[in-house]
Amino acid sequence: AQSVTQPDIHITVSEGASLELRCNYSYGATPYLFWYVQSPGQGLQLLLKYFSGDTLVQGIKGFEAEFKRSQSSFNLRKPSVHWSDAAEYFCAVAPMNSGYSTLTFGKGTMLLVSP
Amino acid sequence: NAGVTQTPKFQVLKTGQSMTLQCAQDMNHEYMSWYRQDPGMGLRLIHYSVGAGITDQGEVPNGYNVSRSTTEDFPLRLLSAAPSQTSVYFCASSSLSGGAFNEQFFGPGTRLTVL
Repeated sequence: AQSVTQPDIHITVSEGASLELRCNYSYGATPYLFWYVQSPGQGLQLLLKYFSGDTLVQGIKGFEAEFKRSQSSFNLRKPSVHWSDAAEYFCAVAPMNSGYSTLTFGKGTMLLVSP
Repeated sequence: NAGVTQTPKFQVLKTGQSMTLQCAQDMNHEYMSWYRQDPGMGLRLIHYSVGAGITDQGEVPNGYNVSRSTTEDFPLRLLSAAPSQTSVYFCASSSLSGGAFNEQFFGPGTRLTVL
């Protein structure tokens, strides 16, 4: 069965510093890969996704992620964090060519931004 | 478009009570799903539907029933609530057109407490 690992439960970053959130997946084949963000008390918003092609994908709010097949990783990055980025971030996978949208989520990483 | 709406936002139940969480979408999406979110567990799929009259189980279906009589609505029923069902519940929907994975849109969530 597929699984998603986000090894960091919490991360604290100073405002203006760079950010990298880690995500590793276990799957028989390369799945579709996603990052979602959840602000406090809100639903989930899609930040970016990888289906195929260029392994560096750009998303909303200045985020990017890099797919590394050899490491089964899909790490999320941002060069300069803003206080409004404080939220919980979820990596998710879906089987490629599944025909419908069954997502498996990681357990999430809570990002705290210090002044 | 209202997107995905969920009612109620908050609910407190006593053990053994029944209730229905409502989910509706106005995007004519074929796919709808229910997730529960528990601290440190990420989101786990409860049930999903790929169209009216078609439902299937996800990762954690026990204690929950669903039906899909219309494209717009996908209610989640708890027949006999248990404290283990205390959670935040999210409904999501997506199109199935185009044959590729389509973005899932999430509702704002229902916070359920079972005493």
